[in-house]
Amino acid sequence: ETGVTQSPTHLIKTRGQQVTLRCSSQSGHNTVSWYQQALGQGPQFIFQYYREEENGRGNFPPRFSGLQFPNYSSELNVNALELDDSALYLCASKRAGLETQYFGPGTRLLVL
Amino acid sequence: QQQVKQSPQSLIVQKGGISIINCAYENTAFDYFPWYQQFPGKGPALLIAIRPDVSEKKEGRFTISFNKSAKQFSLHIMDSQPGDSATYFCAASMKDFGNEKLTFGTGTRLTIIP
Repeated sequence: ETGVTQSPTHLIKTRGQQVTLRCSSQSGHNTVSWYQQALGQGPQFIFQYYREEENGRGNFPPRFSGLQFPNYSSELNVNALELDDSALYLCASKRAGLETQYFGPGTRLLVL
Repeated sequence: QQQVKQSPQSLIVQKGGISIINCAYENTAFDYFPWYQQFPGKGPALLIAIRPDVSEKKEGRFTISFNKSAKQFSLHIMDSQPGDSATYFCAASMKDFGNEKLTFGTGTRLTIIP
């Protein structure tokens, strides 16, 4: 069974730029969530995708958007990057109807 | 509003000792309470989880104690080992389609000393 994978592992951007992060779900998982983890904090829920549609969103502005593809992989897009967007971005996948979420290794984003 | 409060922020335990981390929640709609272990530079890994219909769950050296009336739950690590040194997060979620997000505590940095 393949675990959750994310790319890239690290990324450096400048303020105002746009970024796309990618996630491949664990085999058999059809629901993907994205979380933002600032240094020294717990992960914060950004949004969840099921059947290629967003079906839950946390307190993040619209410049955070996502996509889920038919193979259940997912993208997180962030426009107009701000310094406070610097964080570890985590993708988690699960089977619909079950609670347990499995996390990928994350993408470390640094905004300068 | 922080819905899951975790303490202590950091913890130092001698090898072979018992590590105890506590969490409290506010939303009574939560019905699933996992604990995650995170090593530096890695994503959180599921350690153990409990539902509120049981008061205790044990898996190897790890035990969750759950007090529904007090809205509190805790993680006990028996015979703590240096390899257990990591950051631990409690979390909570509800079985509500479209609202299944995990709400995390702020984390506890555990250090096991020889």
